[in-house]
Amino acid sequence: AQTVTQSQPEMSVQEAETVTLSCTYDTSENNYYLFWYKQPPSRQMILVIRQEAYKQQNATENRFSVNFQKAAKSFSLKISDSQLGDTAMYFCAFMKSNTGNQFYFGTGTSLTVIP
Amino acid sequence: GAVVSQHPSRVICKSGTSVKIECRSLDFQATTMFWYRQFPKQSLMLMATSNEGSKATYEQGVEKDKFLINHASLTLSTLTVTSAHPEDSSFYICSARGTNIQYFGAGTRLSVL
Repeated sequence: AQTVTQSQPEMSVQEAETVTLSCTYDTSENNYYLFWYKQPPSRQMILVIRQEAYKQQNATENRFSVNFQKAAKSFSLKISDSQLGDTAMYFCAFMKSNTGNQFYFGTGTSLTVIP
Repeated sequence: GAVVSQHPSRVICKSGTSVKIECRSLDFQATTMFWYRQFPKQSLMLMATSNEGSKATYEQGVEKDKFLINHASLTLSTLTVTSAHPEDSSFYICSARGTNIQYFGAGTRLSVL
């Protein structure tokens, strides 16, 4: 079974600063995908970034980047130049390849950006 | 990204009534959709996987007779909460399978009085 662990239930960061959210996972699979989703107060799930396990290069989307360590099964999210709109729940998710796209979610990290 | 529409966004009903929630993929065909339940400040819990033209696959502990799922077309899946009770009050989210990704609806807040 796949498990996803987010060890930081709550975090805060000053506006314009950088923050890193942690995520570890456990799997015996070699091919899979990892995701970070953001859930703001509206509760709409918004894709932040996606990483394919077979790619060594860390994914980057504007102010968001990941540190993917496959051997360590670690997938942290770095948010640079934090903005007030980044305040949200952040969920890390794991998906096996070619198995119906079922997601395994972590328990989430509540991030607050302080003005 | 692709758009998934979920309706209604909020529903309040009396105990004992049934409530139907719709999930539509607006700009692509989704052979597989997923239904989640989310309690306050918790993660998404997968309830069932809905496959077009076949019976849904329910996760362990989810009552299939309580949560009826119908995926009759490639763009629409429905979740019906039958004989709803206050303990069914929750936030329900659907998603549609894309290529190695899921696209999420905006969710439905169900309150059972």
